[in-house]
Amino acid sequence: EAQVTQNPRYLITVTGKKLTVTCSQNMNHEYMSWYRQDPGLGLRQIYYSMNVEVTDKGDVPEGYKVSRKEKRNFPLILESPSPNQTSLYFCASSLTLLGTQYFGPGTRLLVL
Amino acid sequence: RKEVEQDPGPFNVPEGATVAFNCTYSNSASQSFFWYRQDCRKEPKLLMSVYSSGNEDGRFTAQLNRASQYISLLIRDSKLSDSATYLCVVNAGGTSYGKLTFGQGTILTVHP
Repeated sequence: EAQVTQNPRYLITVTGKKLTVTCSQNMNHEYMSWYRQDPGLGLRQIYYSMNVEVTDKGDVPEGYKVSRKEKRNFPLILESPSPNQTSLYFCASSLTLLGTQYFGPGTRLLVL
Repeated sequence: RKEVEQDPGPFNVPEGATVAFNCTYSNSASQSFFWYRQDCRKEPKLLMSVYSSGNEDGRFTAQLNRASQYISLLIRDSKLSDSATYLCVVNAGGTSYGKLTFGQGTILTVHP
């Protein structure tokens, strides 16, 4: 089944404890992206990747890192999480930028 | 001015009604436009891409007005199942064409 998977789906952590949210797609898509969704602010792009080893900043990259070593994986790294990074995170992929973006199920993160 | 602006609604309409949403964007270099639908606490899913000549998919019609920098979505013969949040999405254009910006979303509730 073609899909985008994210892990974990739910995470509670404490300020400063490094964490990684994984994202994987099995559709051989070139484009992958991370978003956060907050009430009243909508979906905001954190980082995106046009292909392997090619990443770029979205609208809200501060406090996040990404890597794209393989086509299928695009992990999101929070080196030192803070409470203002409490949010719902979505990973998405598409064959190309202009193609349909397929979203993962989301990861709910709470930073205490 | 926000890069992408939508009327947040909510729009409450009876079944069978016709409803239209508008979305304005500020970057004249933008080239790609989409409408996504998001159900409560779920991931967004592509509803339709928006082409310069306008396009239709069943009860849904999307239009693009480059001169005025807005896109629209028209839903005819509304169904209860159309209740959702509708998100317009625009790419940045230029050297940042991989960057996607979402509007805050328009909430639609269709009632019996």
